[in-house]
Amino acid sequence: DAKTTQPPSMDCAEGRAANLPCNHSTISGNEYVYWYRQIHSQGPQYIIHGLKNNETNEMASLIITEDRKSSTLILPHATLRDTAVYYCIVRVNQGGATNKLIFGTGTLLAVQP
Amino acid sequence: KAGVTQTPRYLIKTRGQQVTLSCSPISGHRSVSWYQQTPGQGLQFLFEYFSETQRNKGNFPGRFSGRQFSNSRSEMNVSTLELGDSALYLCASSWTGGEGGYTFGSGTRLTVV
Repeated sequence: DAKTTQPPSMDCAEGRAANLPCNHSTISGNEYVYWYRQIHSQGPQYIIHGLKNNETNEMASLIITEDRKSSTLILPHATLRDTAVYYCIVRVNQGGATNKLIFGTGTLLAVQP
Repeated sequence: KAGVTQTPRYLIKTRGQQVTLSCSPISGHRSVSWYQQTPGQGLQFLFEYFSETQRNKGNFPGRFSGRQFSNSRSEMNVSTLELGDSALYLCASSWTGGEGGYTFGSGTRLTVV
């Protein structure tokens, strides 16, 4: 079973920041938080990941709370092309049996014009 | 650089037949994973190959099998097809084990009639 909880859907106005929450209250100390998204009929796309520090790349920012029990993915200026299902996943980066992604149901982000 | 290539994109098979799907990972990537996506079960991990060895396996029946070649290309095979095997089959590749994120292909849409 997935170890994360996400709202099933969210709306965001085009050009505004989209803040997608994720709860992972049972996360272990060595588990990373990963975000992927899946645009309709395409394969999932990696967005960002982090352990405990906030992370930023060209696509998004990841804010992880100090207790690491929740995180927020931020798309700073959402566009219509950001409409997708966003998956928050926790996993250990130790190889072997941990080399898999356990997907939950994700959040359907609908960016409105 | 070229992405993950999956062939064919679409496939229609009859119950009881078998099918082979192909995945060419990004050049240099040695880990290849397979996922099944259905409306009812979502995205589920099938198996992972690394250096021609199955390193990790999901909870699927033995009708689902795979292999990896010395050039890291991978194939998955489903024998004695059932209607419930209709799904989008996704392949994902990474350098070692997805620590930096997996790159997914666009998938093969299998329909069993």
